[in-house]
Amino acid sequence: AQSVTQLDSHVSVSEGTPVLLRCNYSSSYSPSLFWYVQHPNKGLQLLLKYTSAATLVKGINGFEAEFKKSETSFHLTKPSAHMSDAAEYFCVVSDRAGGGADGLTFGKGTHLIIQP
Amino acid sequence: DTAVSQTPKYLVTQMGNDKSIKCEQNLGHDTMYWYKQDSKKFLKIMFSYNNKELIINETVPNRFSPKSPDKAHLNLHINSLELGDSAVYFCASTVRDHMNTEAFFGQGTRLTVV
Repeated sequence: AQSVTQLDSHVSVSEGTPVLLRCNYSSSYSPSLFWYVQHPNKGLQLLLKYTSAATLVKGINGFEAEFKKSETSFHLTKPSAHMSDAAEYFCVVSDRAGGGADGLTFGKGTHLIIQP
Repeated sequence: DTAVSQTPKYLVTQMGNDKSIKCEQNLGHDTMYWYKQDSKKFLKIMFSYNNKELIINETVPNRFSPKSPDKAHLNLHINSLELGDSAVYFCASTVRDHMNTEAFFGQGTRLTVV
């Protein structure tokens, strides 16, 4: 079984300040972890992924995330927020040990608001 | 070229009608999915198909039926539509290997039942 908890439903930061979106996961096996972004009325775009290689993962648009097994966390960060970062962010876990395609389990999302 | 494409993008229909949403992927992936996103943005898997075989069937009403004519297509058919079916439906596909199951998503179909 796998699950994802995004600790904040809304995060508001000022433009130019750091962004932190928190995510904790639960998985019976070695998980793959992803962050997806959804801009208003748009589809889902992959930001970055962790698949048991380097624990610090760099993604698109200056985002990065660190896999911490001891804390079962995969928090998303960005040093300096931009207005275009305003969107919904989803932390996602996939259990790779399943024999078949088991799908992705999504967190409930964090709405990122950027203040000018 | 669009990797995962869904049609239509918007669908407004009356209660009781039957409708279909089409999905096609040109990535050569072997597994396709349908997800439902509710008004609170929560995404939940509905179905997946691997090599034309249904391998996940979450607790969705049997009014929903996935149909896969071939590996590149997974259509969603909905009978007797209800108000509560209003949502955004996303199709996705993955390549299943032992390293990762990154999914590519379509743009979504916003279904409104009136």
